[in-house]
Amino acid sequence: RKEVEQDPGPFNVPEGATVAFNCTYSNSASQSFFWYRQDCRKEPKLLMSVYSSGNEDGRFTAQLNRASQYISLLIRDSKLSDSATYLCVVRGYGQNFVFGPGTRLSVLP
Amino acid sequence: DGGITQSPKYLFRKEGQNVTLSCEQNLNHDAMYWYRQDPGQGLRLIYYSQIVNDFQKGDIAEGYSVSREKKESFPLTVTSAQKNPTAFYLCASGQAGQGGNYGYTFGSGTRLTVV
Repeated sequence: RKEVEQDPGPFNVPEGATVAFNCTYSNSASQSFFWYRQDCRKEPKLLMSVYSSGNEDGRFTAQLNRASQYISLLIRDSKLSDSATYLCVVRGYGQNFVFGPGTRLSVLP
Repeated sequence: DGGITQSPKYLFRKEGQNVTLSCEQNLNHDAMYWYRQDPGQGLRLIYYSQIVNDFQKGDIAEGYSVSREKKESFPLTVTSAQKNPTAFYLCASGQAGQGGNYGYTFGSGTRLTVV
């Protein structure tokens, strides 16, 4: 089993739709969680950290379920500019980041 | 502005040739990392360094070498022993060691092609 697994996608959604991505991780000692966004042929950029209580940043909401070792990202009111690959990232204490393979999102006009 | 700079943006390597990819950061980060990304795939860790003059192998270190003589710099050499070097190479930096929600910052990448 891979350390971090994500929905393979691609997700093709119309503008204005709500879309959710899931991510599971295998290391129960993981302590830090992130979502990164990667545009085509560009570097990944930090979208948001994920906190135990869940957190929101504008149209983006991240949730963490430690018991199920599951992370989610919800995007509301999708924009064309949200089209990208979304990477789930997990880190144990004193460990390096482990990146999921990513989920590709295409928002269609 | 603080950031992390990779050069060159595009690099072409002939068979049997060693090439060096540059990575410089002015974020005062202790840790630096090199990743490789193949088309449609996730990031794989090549080498990382938590402190000057020290570095460790990642998951796919064979055919690569690094040095960390300065805090700001972490160059990656792709040697002729790397049989399939065509890929997108990403350098990142971040806070070393502790947990906490400190994300990595990435450079803009070097796209290496064997010709």
